[in-house]
Amino acid sequence: LAKTTQPISMDSYEGQEVNITCSHNNIATNDYITWYQQFPSQGPRFIIQGYKTKVTNEVASLFIPADRKSSTLSLPRVSLSDTAVYYCLVGDICASGTYKYIFGTGTRLKVLA
Amino acid sequence: DAMVIQNPRYQVTQFGKPVTLSCSQTLNHNVMYWYQQKSSQAPKLLFHYYDKDFNNEADTPDNFQSRRPNTSFCFLDIRSPGLGDAAMYLCATSRPWTSGRDTASTDTQYFGPGTRLTVL
Repeated sequence: LAKTTQPISMDSYEGQEVNITCSHNNIATNDYITWYQQFPSQGPRFIIQGYKTKVTNEVASLFIPADRKSSTLSLPRVSLSDTAVYYCLVGDICASGTYKYIFGTGTRLKVLA
Repeated sequence: DAMVIQNPRYQVTQFGKPVTLSCSQTLNHNVMYWYQQKSSQAPKLLFHYYDKDFNNEADTPDNFQSRRPNTSFCFLDIRSPGLGDAAMYLCATSRPWTSGRDTASTDTQYFGPGTRLTVL
């Protein structure tokens, strides 16, 4: 099962772009890369998912190089409300046919005024 | 709105006294998951259901059991809670995984707000 490695914490200032990189050297051919955001006392919330190259949605971009051994979550112009823990996940296909995730340690992002 | 609901949000129990946490969903998803999250740690998968098929993680203690009487509901039973079981318990749902690169994945997990369990 692919493990992920992320920086434990990052600080940024409001209005800056934040890039959080995740390493997943053992990613399998079928694995997607997914990022979740979690605020204190809440369940994780889906941010973005990708397989390769670049994916962009209304809140973030995800950059995945050709070898897929790493990925970078990019948050444009962060605000104080983006202070949260960000998890990078890759998955595994179970014998049951379901797809399960193992959460890594996450990156605690603190946005400063 | 369609969502994942967990009740109660806060649960206090005594050491060794069985407790049941509940999760319901209006998303009609086939797959439901239970995670345990301790303070300042990442969520840890306990088990999941694909429809009625139960899939236990190898390191999930026998003290934790689950029931899924229908598509909408899933329960987490802790038979004899210990102090080390105090944690946030998260329920999540998803559609079954389907193979398809470069397409929108169907396996995004939707999480409930969690139940914070305190063991006295």
